[in-house]
Amino acid sequence: DAGVTQSPTHLIKTRGQQVTLRCSPISGHKSVSWYQQVLGQGPQFIFQYYEKEERGRGNFPDRFSARQFPNYSSELNVNALLLGDSALYLCASSLGDEGGTDYNSPLHFGNGTRLTVT
Amino acid sequence: AQSVTQLDSQVPVFEEAPVELRCNYSSSVSVYLFWYVQYPNQGLQLLLKYLSGSTLVKGINGFEAEFNKSQTSFHLRKPSVHISDTAEYFCAVSAWYSSASKIIFGSGTRLSIRP
Repeated sequence: DAGVTQSPTHLIKTRGQQVTLRCSPISGHKSVSWYQQVLGQGPQFIFQYYEKEERGRGNFPDRFSARQFPNYSSELNVNALLLGDSALYLCASSLGDEGGTDYNSPLHFGNGTRLTVT
Repeated sequence: AQSVTQLDSQVPVFEEAPVELRCNYSSSVSVYLFWYVQYPNQGLQLLLKYLSGSTLVKGINGFEAEFNKSQTSFHLRKPSVHISDTAEYFCAVSAWYSSASKIIFGSGTRLSIRP
C-alpha cells in the first residue's frame, strides 16, 4: 500500500504570494492533519480534518486554510506568504473516528513539502 | 493544556553504547504517548506508543520506553545503538482537548552516533 504522499516536494515562493500544498492519505484513512516544522523544532499542529470537516485548528493566522475532499485528500493553502512561513510542511493521516476519539491512533506522515519564502 | 519537554537537544553517543532520550510532559487530562523518529529529508515514523497497560513498551529497531505517571515522564532507551540510529527523535502526547484531538510534539533530540 502506498504511504502518505505530498506534492510538491520543494517549493520556492516570494513574499506576498500564495501557495497550495497537496496531500493524499493512506488508503482507508479518513483523517488528515497538517503540521509545520521549522528548522530545529518539532512539528507544530496546524489543522486536522475528518470527513471533510475541520476537527481542530492550531495557533496559526487566518492566512492558513485547508480543506479535505470526498476522496479524503487534502490541500493546505497559505496566503500572503511571509519569510517566517519557510518550513517543512508535513501531512499525516490516521484512521479517524466519527466521534473524534481516535487520538490514540498513531499518525502516518508523508515526507513533507519544503517551502522556502524569499 | 498539554506540553512536552525534551530535555536534551543533542545526544552524542558511541556506537554500541546505551542511550536514553528524556521526555517529560504535562497535561490536565489523560494522555497517550508516542515516540517518533525523523531521518534526514523524511517525514516522521512511529517508533512506539503507550496507550495503557504495561508501562514498559517496546518499539521498532530495538527501542523501548517506560511510562512513569508519577514523574510524568516517557523516556526512550536503547541498550546498544548503531550508526543507522542517527536521526532526530520526537516525543509526542495526544489527548482529547477542547472537543478535538490534538497531538503536541516536543522540540526533538538529535541523536548522533560516533564510530
